[in-house]
Amino acid sequence: GAVVSQHPSWVICKSGTSVKIECRSLDFQATTMFWYRQFPKQSLMLMATSNEGSKATYEQGVEKDKFLINHASLTLSTLTVTSAHPEDSSFYICTAPREVNTEAFFGQGTRLTVV
Amino acid sequence: GQNIDQPTEMTATEGAIVQINCTYQTSGFNGLFWYQQHAGEAPTFLSYNVLDGLEEKGRFSSFLSRSKGYSYLLLKELQMKDSASYLCAVRVQAGTALIFGKGTTLSVSS
Repeated sequence: GAVVSQHPSWVICKSGTSVKIECRSLDFQATTMFWYRQFPKQSLMLMATSNEGSKATYEQGVEKDKFLINHASLTLSTLTVTSAHPEDSSFYICTAPREVNTEAFFGQGTRLTVV
Repeated sequence: GQNIDQPTEMTATEGAIVQINCTYQTSGFNGLFWYQQHAGEAPTFLSYNVLDGLEEKGRFSSFLSRSKGYSYLLLKELQMKDSASYLCAVRVQAGTALIFGKGTTLSVSS
């Protein structure tokens, strides 16, 4: 069964509004989670590293004020897309490794459409 | 920067064998991963190599040569359901995020 749960699976929102995406590790504690974005027919691009108890680390070119990440507990990280615009429409997906050197388990992904 | 290359598209027929290559040039190496991704879905884990050699898992095998910065995914007895995108990813350092290649879209025909 799934070990990382992501919610919602899809969301449609109006331009200018904010959307929150949750990523939960179900049976393990994740001090680190990773957020990726995938545009159609492209690969996964790392957006940021979410660290429990400290600030997220953002990749170059990713606006930290637009994509707010909060690692509220050892099992929950949230990504909030603020003032969403149509160009933010994408597939957002989180991953979390159960242990340091193991595979990263993926959430189901969130299809965001901004209209 | 980090660079991971794989072919954009490949085609094959049912029952055949296909090899998807991946070359990488990264600042470090802590493992190479292969994932399968169907359209609109999250990637699913296929294999992990950290030492040189071949790892076999059913119809799927993955090979790694660290000295050459090279890996391949071998799919045997292809089925229609194997039509998907195959992603090669490298972990540069322990505890860090995977860096993905652009993916190879495999089309299997009857």
